[in-house]
Amino acid sequence: AQKVTQAQTEISVVEKEDVTLDCVYETRDTTYYLFWYKQPPSGELVFLIRRNSFDEQNEISGRYSWNFQKSTSSFNFTITASQVVDSAVYFCALSLRPPWTSGTYKYIFGTGTRLKVLA
Amino acid sequence: NAGVTQTPKFQVLKTGQSMTLQCAQDMNHEYMSWYRQDPGMGLRLIHYSVGAGITDQGEVPNGYNVSRSTTEDFPLRLLSAAPSQTSVYFCASSYGLQSSGNTIYFGEGSWLTVV
Repeated sequence: AQKVTQAQTEISVVEKEDVTLDCVYETRDTTYYLFWYKQPPSGELVFLIRRNSFDEQNEISGRYSWNFQKSTSSFNFTITASQVVDSAVYFCALSLRPPWTSGTYKYIFGTGTRLKVLA
Repeated sequence: NAGVTQTPKFQVLKTGQSMTLQCAQDMNHEYMSWYRQDPGMGLRLIHYSVGAGITDQGEVPNGYNVSRSTTEDFPLRLLSAAPSQTSVYFCASSYGLQSSGNTIYFGEGSWLTVV
């Protein structure tokens, strides 16, 4: 089965708290990519990060960090010192190569986690 | 930077009406797709195209048609709107066919209500 699970439907934190959004994926492929997208209240989907299956190094970008662990099939996203502007729905996605050589890849999205940061 | 442009942003339709959601990208991307977003369901793929003249069905294609006459444009047609098609629709594009890691760029979304 190929699946992305974001078990946290909604999280509320107070500004300046740290928060971690969980993402667990399932695939038998050895080559795949993982993504995080942010959907602010305005509705657009904003790309945050892409990670390939061969690179397990953690990534840090300002207040954002990502922890990729193949052993647990997880790609978690942490926001440090959260701000009200971080309030959004966050989607984790898995990109897979199809089994057919002439086909194209497909993306599988999780159901999203709504983050509310309270002032 | 135009990126992926969708129109209209908001639309209300009556059951049985037809309409077309327009999508254009100016990044010369080969791959374009349409998703719908429903509460608790995440993003589900409706149709996609790997290049001009080539389209294929995604996860939830029923009730929708697409065509890809040019690299830039990928319109989504609702043939006979139903209340179940009330949703937010996103057009997306990315570069390349064989690589599985190319980032998807999304349009701003189209909010469609069918009454």
